Amino acid sequence: EAGVAQSPRYKIIEKRQSVAFWCNPISGHATLYWYQQILGQGPKLLIQFQNNGVVDDSQLPKDRFSAERLKGVDSTLKIQPAKLEDSAVYLCASSLPTASENTFGSGTRLTVV
Amino acid sequence: GDSVTQMEGPVTLSEEAFLTINCTYTATGYPSLFWYVQYPGEGLQLLLKATKADDKGSNKGFEATYRKETTSFHLEKGSVQVSDSAVYFCAVGRGSYIPTFGRGTSLIVHP
Repeated sequence: EAGVAQSPRYKIIEKRQSVAFWCNPISGHATLYWYQQILGQGPKLLIQFQNNGVVDDSQLPKDRFSAERLKGVDSTLKIQPAKLEDSAVYLCASSLPTASENTFGSGTRLTVV
Repeated sequence: GDSVTQMEGPVTLSEEAFLTINCTYTATGYPSLFWYVQYPGEGLQLLLKATKADDKGSNKGFEATYRKETTSFHLEKGSVQVSDSAVYFCAVGRGSYIPTFGRGTSLIVHP
């Protein structure tokens, strides 16, 4: 089966600019996650969707981060405006609703300068 | 909330050496435990998991046993290869809730 697709692979922006990342989960996976992985750390959950509804966004910095999954399939994560500390790899993962394990995409590496 | 502590890296070994990466967790109830691996430039891949006490997860020669009495899930492999060089993440989760990850341990295997 095809894996979780993410784009772009790399992005470099200046601070205060905006950026968006895209994720296409595995077909049939109703649950979708966005994680932030700062260099040298483990992934941290930003937001979890079940179909097109938000299950958990308690760790999403809502003053600058937003995410949507309008049709319950693809998802976008946006940062506006970006800060230097947002430099990280943004990972998307998906799973079946009852699964306790996720399938991860390759991630988007964001560098804010 | 749940948390995971794993040993600092990097762990540097020669090929065919024995590997242990320590992981301890803090969680209420009966979580599931996971080891994920991240190869350079790639996303995380599930390596193995255990869902209840005394379960042993195993895959690709790696194994880990869920020890509730010591709240540990140490990763072991009897003979590492150069291709095992990667970052290994211990994680804890429950049901359909996503895992909480440790900081990762880098493994470097020399020929």
